[in-house]
Amino acid sequence: GAVVSQHPSWVICKSGTSVKIECRSLDFQATTMFWYRQFPKQSLMLMATSNEGSKATYEQGVEKDKFLINHASLTLSTLTVTSAHPEDSSFYICSARFLGQEDNEQYFGPGTRLTVT
Amino acid sequence: EDKVVQSPLSLVVHEGDTVTLNCSYEVTNFRSLLWYKQEKKAPTFLFMLTSSGIEKKSGRLSSILDKKELFSILNITATQTGDSAVYLCAVRTGTASKLTFGTGTRLQVTL
Repeated sequence: GAVVSQHPSWVICKSGTSVKIECRSLDFQATTMFWYRQFPKQSLMLMATSNEGSKATYEQGVEKDKFLINHASLTLSTLTVTSAHPEDSSFYICSARFLGQEDNEQYFGPGTRLTVT
Repeated sequence: EDKVVQSPLSLVVHEGDTVTLNCSYEVTNFRSLLWYKQEKKAPTFLFMLTSSGIEKKSGRLSSILDKKELFSILNITATQTGDSAVYLCAVRTGTASKLTFGTGTRLQVTL
């Protein structure tokens, strides 16, 4: 079946540094990728929707200059958390919707746990 | 603003019990409702429901949607400890397939 991978699976960084998270679709071409954030014991919150070759659409309250999304190909989207702060520590999950699928569920990646110290 | 509410927030049952998890929603441009199971990592897909009154079933799990009353239930019969997880309900809206998630129901099945 369809597989979505994320790298890294976990990362610890110092406050003020930037972190890049990759989301890859392994067996299919993903027309749309979604980035979610999940704080402990809370549900997934959509941050942005990313379409290949165009600018991402950010949800209200998500700073586009802080969370840079690049969707350069049909199999790769990246999320860069710039100037990370401890409050950015969270579980970041991507999901993908693939080309040719009419009305489907999204395939989720395994998530990346970011800890900012 | 789209809203998805799940109840109860958490639940502890004994192995063998039957549980019913609830999800109600208030959204614009409804497309479908999805149930996911989340253990320690990313959610895994359980069901997608688009039509009212048609039960979807997979083993001991089943789900149904009521588009008039704007809710769905997820039933788990003969629960096992492996069913312990957070169950997430999400509603898909619009043409961009945006998913709005509920807060989840944390289910714990004890021996």
